[in-house]
Amino acid sequence: DADVTQTPRNRITKTGKRIMLECSQTKGHDRMYWYRQDPGLGLRLIYYSFDVKDINKGEISDGYSVSRQAQAKFSLSLESAIPNQTALYFCATSALGQGRGYTFGSGTRLTVV
Amino acid sequence: GENVEQHPSTLSVQEGDSAVIKCTYSDSASNYFPWYKQELGKRPQLIIDIRSNVGEKKDQRIAVTLNKTAKHFSLHITETQPEDSAVYFCAASNIGSGNTGKLIFGQGTTLQVKP
Repeated sequence: DADVTQTPRNRITKTGKRIMLECSQTKGHDRMYWYRQDPGLGLRLIYYSFDVKDINKGEISDGYSVSRQAQAKFSLSLESAIPNQTALYFCATSALGQGRGYTFGSGTRLTVV
Repeated sequence: GENVEQHPSTLSVQEGDSAVIKCTYSDSASNYFPWYKQELGKRPQLIIDIRSNVGEKKDQRIAVTLNKTAKHFSLHITETQPEDSAVYFCAASNIGSGNTGKLIFGQGTTLQVKP
C-alpha cells in the first residue's frame, strides 16, 4: 500500500550528537512536512517542502535542518541535539490542490539525554 | 501569526453521551478545516473535514460545524463509544493554487469515553 514511512521508530541520543530522521513516501505527493508533537502543545510545524528545490521554515525551525533528496524523501536533522528536542516527530505528505489534509507517517519518538 | 486554539484540553463523557470539541482560528483566509483522531501510540488519522463554503458536514456519528464570521468550528460526536477514546486535533489551512496549504493545528483534546 502507498504509505509514508519514517525511520527510526524510536531513538535515544546524547546531548550534542547529530541525528537524522528520515521520511519516505510512496503516495506520489509533492508536498512534505515535518512536525513535532508535545503534550499540550499539539503538532507544530518545523519545515515544509513543495518540491526538491523548495524548502520553507515552519514556526519552530531553530535547531533543525532538512534535506529533500528526492520527491519521495525528506529528512530532518538535529545538528546538535538538546534535551528540549525530546518529542514525537511526524512526517506528513499532501498533494497540491488535493485539499484532503495530510497523510502522516508512523512517527519517530526521539529522546535526548 | 496564524493560530488555532482548541478547547477543552481534556473531556470525559459516559458512553452514549455526546462530546463537543471547539476550535477558533486567527487567519481569516483559512478555508479548509480538518479534524484528526490519534489513538494511543498511533499516527493522526483524518476523520472529517469541512471547507469554508459549507456550514455543516456530517458522517455517521460525527459532524463538524463552521462559523466563518466568528472564526469558530466544532466537532460533534454523538452516541460515544469506548473506541472513540483518543486525542483529537483540529486544524486550519488556506488551500488552493499559490497557497502553502500548510496545516496549523490546535493543541489537542484528550477524549475519554467511560463504559
